[in-house]
Amino acid sequence: GQQVMQIPQYQHVQEGEDFTTYCNSSTTLSNIQWYKQRPGGHPVFLIQLVKSGEVKKQKRLTFQFGEAKKNSSLHITATQTTDVGTYFCAGRTGSARQLTFGSGTQLTVLP
Amino acid sequence: NAGVTQTPKFQVLKTGQSMTLQCAQDMNHEYMSWYRQDPGMGLRLIHYSVGAGITDQGEVPNGYNVSRSTTEDFPLRLLSAAPSQTSVYFCASSFEGLRETQYFGPGTRLLVL
Repeated sequence: GQQVMQIPQYQHVQEGEDFTTYCNSSTTLSNIQWYKQRPGGHPVFLIQLVKSGEVKKQKRLTFQFGEAKKNSSLHITATQTTDVGTYFCAGRTGSARQLTFGSGTQLTVLP
Repeated sequence: NAGVTQTPKFQVLKTGQSMTLQCAQDMNHEYMSWYRQDPGMGLRLIHYSVGAGITDQGEVPNGYNVSRSTTEDFPLRLLSAAPSQTSVYFCASSFEGLRETQYFGPGTRLLVL
């Protein structure tokens, strides 16, 4: 079945440093979504990427979808304490009726 | 709109007991799904529904049943609780499917002793 691997599992950064999490799929994805989950909270949708090579930005967050549509990344520039949480990618293949989530990257920002 | 609501927030069960986790949404979403979240394993799909009367299995369906008699409600039933079902359960919904934003409920934290 489809597998979505996400690295790293944990990341500690000093406030102001950059952060990147990577997502890799064993199969070509039709779309990929990114979610953020604050400690004790629920996943909240951040963005969706659909096109090969697509790049989208939300303020300090940059999302990329690989040319082969098998990998994606989320980059945060100059992290803030409000960025703390776990970031998940979730991908879908073809006409599948399921999203497969990566295991998430837990970000800690040290003040 | 209340969005996606889940009850209860917390539950403790003994092995072998049954219970139903409730999920409701007031956004007229067709697609609804149930996930469980365990440490280090992300979210795993249990069951999903693409509309009233239609359900299907996800990645980890064993030990769980669902039904979708209305658009709004998508309850998850644990038939005979086991310690391995200790987890956080999230319900999610979207308007038409997986090419759209998934809205998650606040979750139910379940402990099976």
